[in-house]
Amino acid sequence: EIVMTQSPATLSVSPGERVTLSCRASQSIGTDLAWYQQRPAQAPRLLIYGASNRDNDFPARFSGSGSGTEFTLTISSLQSEDFAVYYCQQYNVWPPAFGQGTKVEV
Amino acid sequence: EVQLVESGGGVVQPGGSLRLSCAASGFSVADTYMTWVRQAPGKGLEWISVIYTAGNTYYADSVRGRFVISRHDSNNALYLQMNSLRAEDTAVYFCVKNVGWELFDEWGQGTLVTVSS
Repeated sequence: EIVMTQSPATLSVSPGERVTLSCRASQSIGTDLAWYQQRPAQAPRLLIYGASNRDNDFPARFSGSGSGTEFTLTISSLQSEDFAVYYCQQYNVWPPAFGQGTKVEV
Repeated sequence: EVQLVESGGGVVQPGGSLRLSCAASGFSVADTYMTWVRQAPGKGLEWISVIYTAGNTYYADSVRGRFVISRHDSNNALYLQMNSLRAEDTAVYFCVKNVGWELFDEWGQGTLVTVSS
């Protein structure tokens, strides 16, 4: 099974800052990597798929990059509605696996 | 518009059973892979089961042999029969629509299952 490791566990930032979240896979997954955003008391939402393709519901300040085992989610200028937990997930190898999440907080 | 609405959660004693339902609208559950994902209180996301369009079903090791995923095409609904429940099964259970293989593009709001005596 592939293990997904996210860092850091928590990120304390201010609105307007640039934010970079990391996700590492225990073996190569190509670009079969998704990011989800989960706001408090809400369901997760698909944010990025194919490592770098942004879902239409999210603004351009969100971007994803990486391939193989190292991936990054960047928020160019953090807005108040972006404070949430972000999960990465690999869908290259069964079973699909999530990272433990990175909480972006004030 | 795609909607997924879970129901059936509640409090159950260890060793008991519960059946979760997920009412889908805006698409046909028969035409796409459907998944259950759970989230223990304050914890991360855990994939637990999928049903493919052909009816094949797969489970995480943590629930295999105790949980059964199924769907009812005419009701356009997904189900999760949970047996021999344990304290560690306490979680919010999300019904999820797949796009492609194991990529999850639509999520229900979740239903809370609490296993406690």
